[in-house]
Amino acid sequence: DAMVIQNPRYQVTQFGKPVTLSCSQTLNHNVMYWYQQKSSQAPKLLFHYYDKDFNNEADTPDNFQSRRPNTSFCFLDIRSPGLGDAAMYLCATSLRDAYTDTQYFGPGTRLTVL
Amino acid sequence: GENVEQHPSTLSVQEGDSAVIKCTYSDSASNYFPWYKQELGKRPQLIIDIRSNVGEKKDQRIAVTLNKTAKHFSLHITETQPEDSAVYFCAARQNFNKFYFGSGTKLNVKP
Repeated sequence: DAMVIQNPRYQVTQFGKPVTLSCSQTLNHNVMYWYQQKSSQAPKLLFHYYDKDFNNEADTPDNFQSRRPNTSFCFLDIRSPGLGDAAMYLCATSLRDAYTDTQYFGPGTRLTVL
Repeated sequence: GENVEQHPSTLSVQEGDSAVIKCTYSDSASNYFPWYKQELGKRPQLIIDIRSNVGEKKDQRIAVTLNKTAKHFSLHITETQPEDSAVYFCAARQNFNKFYFGSGTKLNVKP
């Protein structure tokens, strides 16, 4: 079941200390997503990549950045984490074509900000 | 953008009863509607999905119906079991890539 892998599974950081979350996939999917999910809420899309094309959501704070160096890997950088950034961060992938639609989620990284 | 509304926010049923969760969407261009089940602390898991060219789809105890005209779709779970207890999210896909989620329904199946 290790098709979308996220590391680390748990991350503790200090207020204002930069942190990087990573996601890798073995599905060769061309679309990768980062979602933020807070307790009892729906996943909120932060941004997604279609191949190398980066698509930022309008309400994603500038504090959040992303990199996709190749098809398999995608990173979420939080430059100066605040207490409000504590959440579960979910990576997901999908294959953009005419026949498949399914979005596959990774297990998530739970971020704690002290 | 797309706006997906989901009701109810909580649903409690007796084991063996049916459960129905409803979602509406705003963008008529949305063409794919998945349903996810999320257990506490775990990732969302796809349980069933439907494309806009289909009105109904069934997989054992789970079914989804879609009314494109009214822009709503529903999840039906029959013969509910305690292990069906979880949070369920509907979603609508717009522009081929972006998925918009409903706010979630916490389903509690009482033994």
